[in-house]
Amino acid sequence: GENVEQHPSTLSVQEGDSAVIKCTYSDSASNYFPWYKQELGKRPQLIIDIRSNVGEKKDQRIAVTLNKTAKHFSLHITETQPEDSAVYFCAARYGSGNTGKLIFGQGTTLQVKP
Amino acid sequence: NAGVTQTPKFRILKIGQSMTLQCTQDMNHNYMYWYRQDPGMGLKLIYYSVGAGITDKGEVPNGYNVSRSTTEDFPLRLELAAPSQTSVYFCASSYGGTTYEQYFGPGTRLTVT
Repeated sequence: GENVEQHPSTLSVQEGDSAVIKCTYSDSASNYFPWYKQELGKRPQLIIDIRSNVGEKKDQRIAVTLNKTAKHFSLHITETQPEDSAVYFCAARYGSGNTGKLIFGQGTTLQVKP
Repeated sequence: NAGVTQTPKFRILKIGQSMTLQCTQDMNHNYMYWYRQDPGMGLKLIYYSVGAGITDKGEVPNGYNVSRSTTEDFPLRLELAAPSQTSVYFCASSYGGTTYEQYFGPGTRLTVT
């Protein structure tokens, strides 16, 4: 069945360093890849997304890259700040039609040390 | 706009009890989803709906039921609660079609003992 693998499960960086989180997906028909940030006890918040017709998308300090051939996509956070500390989830759209169903990775806990 | 709202925020159920988790959105979104999130894990899709009167199963539908009588509301019913249903439940919505962005409600933390 469809699957999304996310690595690493935990990531600790110094403030100001970059952080990279990687995901692989199994459904070659997937065409939409969002990233969510979830702070402790809060709801997941969409921070950036990319569609399969684009290789890279950037929004200030965050960027997402997509390699359709390898079925990989990655989240890049530059100049990390303590407020970036949270759990980050990748996801991939799956299934036929436009149901918008998402399958999520297991999450990465990012800790940014001041 | 309140966005996606969920009630209750917290609930403790005894094994075998039933309850309904409420979800409402005021963004005129066509698609709605129910997820569960177990501790330290990602989100798993329980059920989804692409419009009023249309629902379908997700990855983990067993033990749950849904209905969608209006565009705004998408309640999730738990019958005969079991400890394995202890989780945080999130409702989400999206406009639909090729607009895939999903927006989440604040969640309901459910404990079954």
